[in-house]
Amino acid sequence: GAGVSQTPSNKVTEKGKYVELRCDPISGHTALYWYRQSLGQGPEFLIYFQGTGAADDSGLPNDRFFAVRPEGSVSTLKIQRTERGDSAVYLCASSLQADNTGELFFGEGSRLTVL
Amino acid sequence: AQSVTQLGSHVSVSEGALVLLRCNYSSSVPPYLFWYVQYPNQGLQLLLKYTSAATLVKGINGFEAEFKKSETSFHLTKPSAHMSDAAEYFCAVSVNTGGFKTIFGAGTRLFVKA
Repeated sequence: GAGVSQTPSNKVTEKGKYVELRCDPISGHTALYWYRQSLGQGPEFLIYFQGTGAADDSGLPNDRFFAVRPEGSVSTLKIQRTERGDSAVYLCASSLQADNTGELFFGEGSRLTVL
Repeated sequence: AQSVTQLGSHVSVSEGALVLLRCNYSSSVPPYLFWYVQYPNQGLQLLLKYTSAATLVKGINGFEAEFKKSETSFHLTKPSAHMSDAAEYFCAVSVNTGGFKTIFGAGTRLFVKA
């Protein structure tokens, strides 16, 4: 696609439920990133992938959060047993490895609200 | 590990006035530095980037930033603010450790008064 696509754009769920957020990166971009942005804050790093593997998952807050990228393209961020504190905008970005500067191209985000 | 500090969560300027948004970084290796802008109800987009070439970097919409290693700063400026510049601005630092991990500052919201 022309840009990074994230679905759903909005998700409202109840505490304790399971949620999946999807990211479709720019075609050809080998690196994919997940960030979380709370109100009034900057994007907080969660995890990034180089191809299919998670190169750095040090930002995942706890074991309720998990992300996959099985074919090196689309990625899914999975949140188990959601808590009200998980409410935020989840941003996905992709990057062209050959660019060699780390410039990120962002989607518009998935806004998660946990009631 | 790298980090970014943006001084001032809110900055207000009059239309036509100088815009100065401050950013200081910390990095143990030579960094790449970025400014991203987020307009209301839109995703983040790149404004400009420093990648170890020229220390004065020009970006879109008349913005520029100067990398000062001695001050570990990368402040964003624009000579004359326009109403359309009202947005949230994020400074970010990235280092190449076999891949890139980009860390963002908390952001500065720019208000432009008529």
